[in-house]
Amino acid sequence: EDQVTQSPEALRLQEGESSSLNCSYTVSGLRGLFWYRQDPGKGPEFLFTLYSAGEEKEKERLKATLTKKESFLHITAPKPEDSATYLCAVQAIDYGGSQGNLIFGKGTKLSVKP
Amino acid sequence: DSGVTQTPKHLITATGQRVTLRCSPRSGDLSVYWYQQSLDQGLQFLIQYYNGEERAKGNILERFSAQQFPDLHSELNLSSLELGDSALYFCASSSRTGGIEKLFFGSGTQLSVL
Repeated sequence: EDQVTQSPEALRLQEGESSSLNCSYTVSGLRGLFWYRQDPGKGPEFLFTLYSAGEEKEKERLKATLTKKESFLHITAPKPEDSATYLCAVQAIDYGGSQGNLIFGKGTKLSVKP
Repeated sequence: DSGVTQTPKHLITATGQRVTLRCSPRSGDLSVYWYQQSLDQGLQFLIQYYNGEERAKGNILERFSAQQFPDLHSELNLSSLELGDSALYFCASSSRTGGIEKLFFGSGTQLSVL
């Protein structure tokens, strides 16, 4: 069964304290791995898509990396406005039926204190 | 703003009742997805429509149904509501590039069943 596990569930950082969030996945065939940011009461907001092992994507203080079994979201010198829940999701290869839907992890709730 | 519109933002109803949630996808997007988000289960895929046709089904209960209309807006119908149906319901539309579907989420409908 396709599955996504994120750790830690919650992370508290001081402003400027860099860290990483982990996303482990098992999927029959990976078409893409996605990172989303979700603020309270809002819908997930797209951050990155990674397609193959070794790939990296960056956006401001965020950097996402991908291996064959997991992805990391590195946060460098975070600011309070980076506080949010970060969701990881995988999209499986379509073996005949449409599997465009994403399988989400439960997320990591990040709090950055000034 | 993702360009996906969901109404209403909040819905309070009683057990046994029926409600309809509405979604307008981004201009030009043919696919619509419905997701349910609860505290314990995270984001769960319910159903996908593509250009008016059902494309994929996830963990959608028999009491729930959806449809997509010729103008591409979609409705999610929830009937015989139970307390456990209280959750955030998200609609997303997608664009496909190179075989990858990137989802854009609306801001959700918060359903409270009392």
